[in-house]
Amino acid sequence: DVKVTQSSRYLVKRTGEKVFLECVQDMDHENMFWYRQDPGLGLRLIYFSYDVKMKEKGDIPEGYSVSREKKERFSLILESASTNQTSMYLCASSLARSLGGAKNIQYFGAGTRLSVL
Amino acid sequence: ELKVEQNPLFLSMQEGKNYTIYCNYSTTSDRLYWYRQDPGKSLESLFVLLSNGAVKQEGRLMASLDTKARLSTLHITAAVHDLSATYFCAGTLSNTGNQFYFGTGTSLTVIP
Repeated sequence: DVKVTQSSRYLVKRTGEKVFLECVQDMDHENMFWYRQDPGLGLRLIYFSYDVKMKEKGDIPEGYSVSREKKERFSLILESASTNQTSMYLCASSLARSLGGAKNIQYFGAGTRLSVL
Repeated sequence: ELKVEQNPLFLSMQEGKNYTIYCNYSTTSDRLYWYRQDPGKSLESLFVLLSNGAVKQEGRLMASLDTKARLSTLHITAAVHDLSATYFCAGTLSNTGNQFYFGTGTSLTVIP
Protein backbone atom coordinates (compact mmCIF):
# COMPACT_ATOMS: atom_id res chain seq x y z
CA ASP A 1 0.00 0.00 0.00
CA VAL A 2 1.09 3.53 -0.75
CA LYS A 3 1.80 5.50 2.34
CA VAL A 4 1.95 9.27 2.43
CA THR A 5 2.94 10.60 5.81
CA GLN A 6 2.56 14.17 6.97
CA SER A 7 4.68 15.05 9.95
CA SER A 8 2.03 16.80 12.04
CA ARG A 9 -1.73 16.40 12.34
CA TYR A 10 -2.21 19.71 14.15
CA LEU A 11 -0.08 22.83 14.32
CA VAL A 12 -0.63 26.15 16.01
CA LYS A 13 1.63 29.02 14.96
CA ARG A 14 1.78 32.75 15.44
CA THR A 15 1.50 35.38 12.74
CA GLY A 16 4.87 36.05 11.13
CA GLU A 17 6.43 32.71 12.05
CA LYS A 18 8.12 30.58 9.43
CA VAL A 19 6.29 27.27 9.16
CA PHE A 20 7.48 23.99 7.68
CA LEU A 21 5.07 21.22 6.71
CA GLU A 22 6.73 17.95 5.82
CA CYS A 23 5.47 15.12 3.64
CA VAL A 24 7.10 11.76 2.93
CA GLN A 25 5.95 9.02 0.57
CA ASP A 26 7.30 5.50 0.55
CA MET A 27 6.41 4.27 -2.95
CA ASP A 28 9.07 5.91 -5.10
CA HIS A 29 6.49 8.19 -6.71
CA GLU A 30 7.76 10.89 -9.03
CA ASN A 31 4.92 13.36 -8.51
CA MET A 32 4.13 15.14 -5.26
CA PHE A 33 1.53 17.80 -4.55
CA TRP A 34 0.49 20.24 -1.83
CA TYR A 35 -3.15 21.33 -1.50
CA ARG A 36 -5.09 23.36 0.96
CA GLN A 37 -8.67 22.42 1.78
CA ASP A 38 -11.19 24.99 2.92
CA PRO A 39 -14.95 24.56 3.46
CA GLY A 40 -16.91 25.33 0.32
CA LEU A 41 -13.77 25.68 -1.80
CA GLY A 42 -12.73 22.07 -2.18
CA LEU A 43 -9.03 21.35 -2.69
CA ARG A 44 -6.82 23.98 -4.23
CA LEU A 45 -3.37 23.20 -5.53
CA ILE A 46 -0.54 25.23 -4.04
CA TYR A 47 2.59 23.69 -5.59
CA PHE A 48 3.60 20.43 -7.19
CA SER A 49 6.78 18.68 -8.18
CA TYR A 50 7.56 16.12 -10.87
CA ASP A 51 11.13 15.50 -9.84
CA VAL A 52 13.81 16.25 -7.29
CA LYS A 53 14.64 19.97 -7.11
CA MET A 54 11.82 20.69 -9.53
CA LYS A 55 8.70 22.66 -8.62
CA GLU A 56 5.76 24.23 -10.38
CA LYS A 57 3.19 26.70 -9.13
CA GLY A 58 -0.36 25.60 -8.71
CA ASP A 59 -3.40 27.81 -8.48
CA ILE A 60 -2.62 29.58 -5.18
CA PRO A 61 1.16 29.75 -4.65
CA GLU A 62 1.28 33.22 -3.09
CA GLY A 63 2.72 33.17 0.41
CA TYR A 64 4.12 29.65 0.03
CA SER A 65 7.27 27.99 -1.19
CA VAL A 66 8.33 24.36 -1.48
CA SER A 67 11.42 22.23 -1.36
CA ARG A 68 12.13 18.82 -2.82
CA GLU A 69 15.69 17.77 -2.09
CA LYS A 70 14.95 14.05 -2.06
CA LYS A 71 12.48 12.09 -4.15
CA GLU A 72 10.47 10.87 -1.19
CA ARG A 73 10.14 14.19 0.63
CA PHE A 74 8.24 17.35 -0.30
CA SER A 75 8.14 20.28 2.08
CA LEU A 76 5.74 23.20 2.13
CA ILE A 77 7.06 26.42 3.63
CA LEU A 78 5.07 29.39 4.84
CA GLU A 79 7.69 32.13 4.88
CA SER A 80 5.70 34.42 7.18
CA ALA A 81 2.49 32.84 8.36
CA SER A 82 -0.68 34.89 8.25
CA THR A 83 -4.14 34.25 9.67
CA ASN A 84 -5.58 33.68 6.20
CA GLN A 85 -3.33 30.65 5.90
CA THR A 86 -5.26 28.88 8.63
CA SER A 87 -6.44 25.77 6.83
CA MET A 88 -6.16 22.04 6.31
CA TYR A 89 -3.09 21.15 4.24
CA LEU A 90 -3.00 17.91 2.28
CA CYS A 91 -0.02 16.29 0.62
CA ALA A 92 -0.43 13.80 -2.22
CA SER A 93 1.74 11.72 -4.50
CA SER A 94 1.28 9.85 -7.76
CA LEU A 95 3.37 7.44 -9.73
CA ALA A 96 4.89 9.14 -12.76
CA ARG A 97 4.40 12.07 -15.06
CA SER A 98 4.57 10.10 -18.27
CA LEU A 99 1.83 7.68 -17.34
CA GLY A 100 -1.85 8.28 -17.58
CA GLY A 101 -5.25 7.22 -16.40
CA ALA A 102 -5.46 4.89 -13.46
CA LYS A 103 -1.71 5.02 -12.87
CA ASN A 104 -1.96 8.69 -11.96
CA ILE A 105 -4.26 8.26 -9.03
CA GLN A 106 -3.13 10.63 -6.31
CA TYR A 107 -2.63 9.17 -2.85
CA PHE A 108 -3.17 11.51 0.03
CA GLY A 109 -1.72 11.95 3.48
CA ALA A 110 -3.88 12.41 6.56
CA GLY A 111 -3.55 16.18 6.47
CA THR A 112 -2.16 18.88 8.74
CA ARG A 113 -4.61 21.27 10.33
CA LEU A 114 -2.76 24.56 10.73
CA SER A 115 -4.03 27.39 12.87
CA VAL A 116 -2.28 30.76 12.64
CA LEU A 117 -3.06 33.06 15.55
CA GLU B 1 -7.56 25.56 -16.21
CA LEU B 2 -10.39 23.11 -15.68
CA LYS B 3 -13.36 24.27 -13.64
CA VAL B 4 -15.21 21.49 -11.86
CA GLU B 5 -18.61 22.00 -10.27
CA GLN B 6 -20.35 19.54 -8.03
CA ASN B 7 -23.91 19.53 -6.88
CA PRO B 8 -25.42 19.34 -4.48
CA LEU B 9 -22.96 20.65 -1.90
CA PHE B 10 -24.90 19.04 0.91
CA LEU B 11 -27.11 15.99 0.74
CA SER B 12 -29.13 14.45 3.51
CA MET B 13 -30.86 11.24 2.60
CA GLN B 14 -32.65 8.43 4.33
CA GLU B 15 -31.31 4.94 4.46
CA GLY B 16 -32.56 2.81 1.60
CA LYS B 17 -33.06 5.70 -0.81
CA ASN B 18 -31.28 6.35 -4.10
CA TYR B 19 -29.60 9.55 -5.11
CA THR B 20 -27.12 10.99 -7.62
CA ILE B 21 -24.26 13.44 -7.21
CA TYR B 22 -23.37 15.46 -10.30
CA CYS B 23 -19.97 16.64 -11.45
CA ASN B 24 -19.81 19.09 -14.35
CA TYR B 25 -16.55 20.29 -15.82
CA SER B 26 -15.75 23.22 -18.07
CA THR B 27 -13.68 21.84 -20.90
CA THR B 28 -12.43 18.62 -22.41
CA SER B 29 -11.10 16.30 -19.75
CA ASP B 30 -9.78 12.92 -20.66
CA ARG B 31 -10.24 11.31 -17.28
CA LEU B 32 -12.27 11.80 -14.16
CA TYR B 33 -11.59 10.65 -10.61
CA TRP B 34 -13.90 10.20 -7.62
CA TYR B 35 -12.66 10.34 -4.03
CA ARG B 36 -14.23 9.84 -0.64
CA GLN B 37 -13.25 11.69 2.55
CA ASP B 38 -14.46 10.61 5.98
CA PRO B 39 -14.55 13.27 8.71
CA GLY B 40 -11.05 13.96 10.00
CA LYS B 41 -9.53 11.57 7.50
CA SER B 42 -7.75 11.89 4.20
CA LEU B 43 -9.05 11.36 0.68
CA GLU B 44 -9.43 7.83 -0.57
CA SER B 45 -9.65 6.97 -4.26
CA LEU B 46 -12.97 5.41 -5.32
CA PHE B 47 -13.10 5.36 -9.12
CA VAL B 48 -11.11 6.31 -12.19
CA LEU B 49 -13.10 6.90 -15.39
CA LEU B 50 -10.95 6.93 -18.49
CA SER B 51 -13.25 7.27 -21.48
CA ASN B 52 -16.65 8.37 -22.68
CA GLY B 53 -19.34 5.99 -21.49
CA ALA B 54 -17.15 4.48 -18.79
CA VAL B 55 -19.06 3.02 -15.88
CA LYS B 56 -17.54 1.69 -12.66
CA GLN B 57 -19.36 0.10 -9.74
CA GLU B 58 -18.32 -0.77 -6.22
CA GLY B 59 -21.00 -1.94 -3.83
CA ARG B 60 -23.76 0.67 -3.62
CA LEU B 61 -21.80 3.27 -5.59
CA MET B 62 -21.74 3.57 -9.36
CA ALA B 63 -19.84 6.23 -11.31
CA SER B 64 -20.23 7.13 -14.97
CA LEU B 65 -18.66 9.55 -17.43
CA ASP B 66 -20.18 11.38 -20.39
CA THR B 67 -17.40 13.38 -21.99
CA LYS B 68 -19.67 14.97 -24.59
CA ALA B 69 -21.89 16.42 -21.87
CA ARG B 70 -18.81 17.10 -19.68
CA LEU B 71 -20.61 15.31 -16.88
CA SER B 72 -19.82 12.58 -14.42
CA THR B 73 -22.31 11.14 -11.96
CA LEU B 74 -21.97 9.18 -8.75
CA HIS B 75 -25.10 7.19 -8.10
CA ILE B 76 -25.91 5.86 -4.66
CA THR B 77 -28.23 2.89 -4.44
CA ALA B 78 -30.12 2.00 -1.26
CA ALA B 79 -27.98 4.25 0.93
CA VAL B 80 -26.63 3.02 4.25
CA HIS B 81 -25.16 5.02 7.12
CA ASP B 82 -21.61 3.90 6.29
CA LEU B 83 -21.76 5.92 3.09
CA SER B 84 -21.89 9.17 5.05
CA ALA B 85 -18.81 11.12 3.90
CA THR B 86 -17.72 13.91 1.59
CA TYR B 87 -17.32 12.93 -2.04
CA PHE B 88 -15.06 14.78 -4.45
CA CYS B 89 -14.67 14.55 -8.18
CA ALA B 90 -11.51 15.68 -9.95
CA GLY B 91 -10.60 16.06 -13.59
CA THR B 92 -7.34 16.50 -15.45
CA LEU B 93 -6.25 18.27 -18.60
CA SER B 94 -4.06 16.12 -20.73
CA ASN B 95 -1.82 19.04 -21.64
CA THR B 96 -0.94 19.77 -18.01
CA GLY B 97 0.12 16.29 -17.11
CA ASN B 98 -1.04 15.07 -13.76
CA GLN B 99 -2.53 18.17 -12.17
CA PHE B 100 -5.97 17.45 -10.70
CA TYR B 101 -8.77 20.02 -10.57
CA PHE B 102 -11.15 19.23 -7.73
CA GLY B 103 -14.79 20.02 -7.28
CA THR B 104 -15.98 21.61 -4.04
CA GLY B 105 -17.18 18.29 -2.66
CA THR B 106 -20.59 16.90 -1.70
CA SER B 107 -21.18 16.26 1.97
CA LEU B 108 -23.47 13.25 2.25
CA THR B 109 -25.32 12.35 5.44
CA VAL B 110 -27.37 9.17 5.50
CA ILE B 111 -30.06 9.23 8.15
CA PRO B 112 -31.34 6.00 9.71
